[in-house]
Amino acid sequence: DAGVIQSPRHEVTEMGQEVTLRCKPISGHNSLFWYRQTMMRGLELLIYFNNNVPIDDSGMPEDRFSAKMPNASFSTLKIQPSEPRDSAVYFCASSFDRTNEKLFFGSGTQLSVL
Amino acid sequence: GENVEQHPSTLSVQEGDSAVIKCTYSDSASNYFPWYKQELGKRPQLIIDIRSNVGEKKDQRIAVTLNKTAKHFSLHITETQPEDSAVYFCAAARGSARQLTFGSGTQLTVLP
Repeated sequence: DAGVIQSPRHEVTEMGQEVTLRCKPISGHNSLFWYRQTMMRGLELLIYFNNNVPIDDSGMPEDRFSAKMPNASFSTLKIQPSEPRDSAVYFCASSFDRTNEKLFFGSGTQLSVL
Repeated sequence: GENVEQHPSTLSVQEGDSAVIKCTYSDSASNYFPWYKQELGKRPQLIIDIRSNVGEKKDQRIAVTLNKTAKHFSLHITETQPEDSAVYFCAAARGSARQLTFGSGTQLTVLP
């Protein structure tokens, strides 16, 4: 398996623009997570899905952030409008939802909002 | 919710020495404790994990210990090598990966 695949690897955009990050989880995994990593706040869980259904989005910063999982093999995280403080590395991760199953991360998207 | 504290934030050791990173957690119901290694510019990768029904687990040069009573767990790396230099994150979860709470990370530098 190729692992969790994220695109793009790098995104540079201007404040106010819409940004869409994409993720393909590991085949067979039924839980998908979006994390944000910054120096100041470390690794923060934004939202997770189980069987394509959003379970907990309490980590989503504000209404500018939205996430979807239309099927078991694809998810998006959208920021509209983007702001400079959204600059971070965004990781997608997946696991198989059994007790204590391991979490695997994608390579991340480095987002820079100018 | 769960709170995980990790110490130290930075650690430098000489090649061949041992390194120890410590974490404490707040939720006594947490029962899964993974450790992740993140090299510069790369993804966090699981290196070892321990469940609450064991007190210690080893995998070659790395080991993790768990003290449920005190609610702390530690990562031990022996015979450190330059390629061990990275940021290490501990985490705690209750029941499944979706409830993983991460520590703030430890930057380990192994000096040649």
